[in-house]
Amino acid sequence: DAKTTQPPSMDCAEGRAANLPCNHSTISGNEYVYWYRQIHSQGPQYIIHGLKNNETNEMASLIITEDRKSSTLILPHATLRDTAVYYCIVRVNYGGATNKLIFGTGTLLAVQP
Amino acid sequence: DVKVTQSSRYLVKRTGEKVFLECVQDMDHENMFWYRQDPGLGLRLIYFSYDVKMKEKGDIPEGYSVSREKKERFSLILESASTNQTSMYLCASSRAGVHSYEQYFGPGTRLTVT
Repeated sequence: DAKTTQPPSMDCAEGRAANLPCNHSTISGNEYVYWYRQIHSQGPQYIIHGLKNNETNEMASLIITEDRKSSTLILPHATLRDTAVYYCIVRVNYGGATNKLIFGTGTLLAVQP
Repeated sequence: DVKVTQSSRYLVKRTGEKVFLECVQDMDHENMFWYRQDPGLGLRLIYFSYDVKMKEKGDIPEGYSVSREKKERFSLILESASTNQTSMYLCASSRAGVHSYEQYFGPGTRLTVT
């Protein structure tokens, strides 16, 4: 599975867009990009995933570059409750139950009032 | 909303005790997972189950066993608790197939073994 690189921490002002980058330069054609976050003392929370097209849901948008070597998670209007560690995960989806998640160290996003 | 609940948020047990951690999901998910999370080591898979009475070992199954008698419930058992099993234990569930990476987690159980 491709290795991912994320900045260890970022700040964002409340109400502004938070753009969290992830580098996955060794990604292969059948690997998906998944984003999770973990708020302090809570379990991880699935946010969004994509293969090559940009994706949007009620929580966030995922922008994947055309060469798929990097991606950006966008929280359009960050709130204090978005303060969390954000994990970018690249995995082959075999479509079976053996799809286990492997979390790296992630990015600690601190939303400032 | 998917809801995954775990029996306890905090648990303190003595070395050698048998410990049961319970997890229940209410979304009729086929897959259920048990992870532990430790500082500097990230999330590690202990066991998972893709159907009732079916189980598969994850990366660190030693010292643990699991039980899935009903679809909604997945139990993690520490046969004889040891201090190196002090950790945060996280249960998750997901649909089968291509959705299996969209895992929904419970709040976690922080287990301390003394």
